[in-house]
Amino acid sequence: EERLVESGGGLIQPGGSLRLSCAASGFTFSRFDMHWVRQGTGKGLEWIGAIGSVGDTYYAGSVRGRFTISRDNAKNSLYLQLKTLRAGDTAVYYCARELRQEYKYASYNFYGLDVWGQGTTVTVSS
Amino acid sequence: IQLTQSPSSLSASVGGSVTITCRASQGISNSLVWYQQRPGTAPKLLIYAASTLQSGVPSRFSGRGSGTDFSLIINSLQPEDFATYYCQQVHIYPRTFGQGTKLEIK
Repeated sequence: EERLVESGGGLIQPGGSLRLSCAASGFTFSRFDMHWVRQGTGKGLEWIGAIGSVGDTYYAGSVRGRFTISRDNAKNSLYLQLKTLRAGDTAVYYCARELRQEYKYASYNFYGLDVWGQGTTVTVSS
Repeated sequence: IQLTQSPSSLSASVGGSVTITCRASQGISNSLVWYQQRPGTAPKLLIYAASTLQSGVPSRFSGRGSGTDFSLIINSLQPEDFATYYCQQVHIYPRTFGQGTKLEIK
């Protein structure tokens, strides 16, 4: 079974830092681009960022410079380092795998996030 | 790229049909996907490439559109279809989601 399991969430004071982890199993982790998405209570989905299979990273403007995505393919793990946290960062954080198809060398069609974790909750409050 | 979904909420009856629209602020070809999210659970991929059903998704779901205007159609609504639906563009980074459409039982 293809599975993602997030961990590392919790209660953190404003200005603090936290590192979230996402453990992958049941598929070849190194072949996939991986994403982080968050959702505040009662709010919609917010795309945070992604890391490619070769380690290239992309971020939403709202988190660029504060959040860092990394991966360890040997450990089948994805990470999200959160810094300078604010109340507005309070949310459930999901990791997800992106489906894609190579139509010519190094060119892909992207087909969305097909495997999601259960989410981990980050609460920023004093 | 901004995505605008409409309506933000709607109500319908079991057995009925609904259409949810998603408009992109610039052309994205067919690089649009749809998700369903039930309360307390992670989103589920329904449709990719604007109109291709993800494996295991019932055929009462369909998608159409290209460029800037897209729609998700659900026919013969079942009780489990009452959820929130999101579109997402996968054309360029940063990826963006629509604000969501909550489908409720009438």
